[in-house]
Amino acid sequence: KQEVTQIPAALSVPEGENLVLNCSFTDSAIYNLQWFRQDPGKGLTSLLLIQSSQREQTSGRLNASLDKSSGRSTLYIAASQPGDSATYLCAVSGAGSYQLTFGKGTKLSVIP
Amino acid sequence: GAVVSQHPSRVICKSGTSVKIECRSLDFQATTMFWYRQFPKKSLMLMATSNEGSKATYEQGVEKDKFLINHASLTLSTLTVTSAHPEDSSFYICSARVFTNTGELFFGEGSRLTVL
Repeated sequence: KQEVTQIPAALSVPEGENLVLNCSFTDSAIYNLQWFRQDPGKGLTSLLLIQSSQREQTSGRLNASLDKSSGRSTLYIAASQPGDSATYLCAVSGAGSYQLTFGKGTKLSVIP
Repeated sequence: GAVVSQHPSRVICKSGTSVKIECRSLDFQATTMFWYRQFPKKSLMLMATSNEGSKATYEQGVEKDKFLINHASLTLSTLTVTSAHPEDSSFYICSARVFTNTGELFFGEGSRLTVL
């Protein structure tokens, strides 16, 4: 059974800092990995999707990497802003299935 | 990205009543939709996979008679919480897959159910 772990559970940084969020998964036979953002009481916003054959994806200040063999992904956020404060969720889908297994998330607070 | 809309965003009901939550794909057709439940400080838990025109597939431990799922069209899936009890209070989120080979899922805004 796939398990997804996100470290740290919470992170507080001053505005302008670069930061890295970590995600690990136990079964490397994945179809893809997605990073989401969730604001309090809201749904999920898709940030980046990495196919199993890819190593990284970039969107603006966000860069996600994937090392499938070691079961790890990182989300790098450059020049953090207070508006980046949210919970970031990592999720993987298994080969042959589009169902996602989620981590518990990392709650990020960017202090002005 | 594709847009998935959920309604209502918040609902409060009395114990014993039934509540229906709608999930719509606004700008694409979704043959498959997923329903998740989110507990505080916990991972999102997949409840069921909803396929248009057929019965939903429920995850182990999810009562299909309690959580009725209907996917009558390519743009609409509904989750009905029957005879709701306070322990059913939770945040319910739906997602839909755009029919491409990326497998990317898009999520609705979520529905907060409070059962008194």
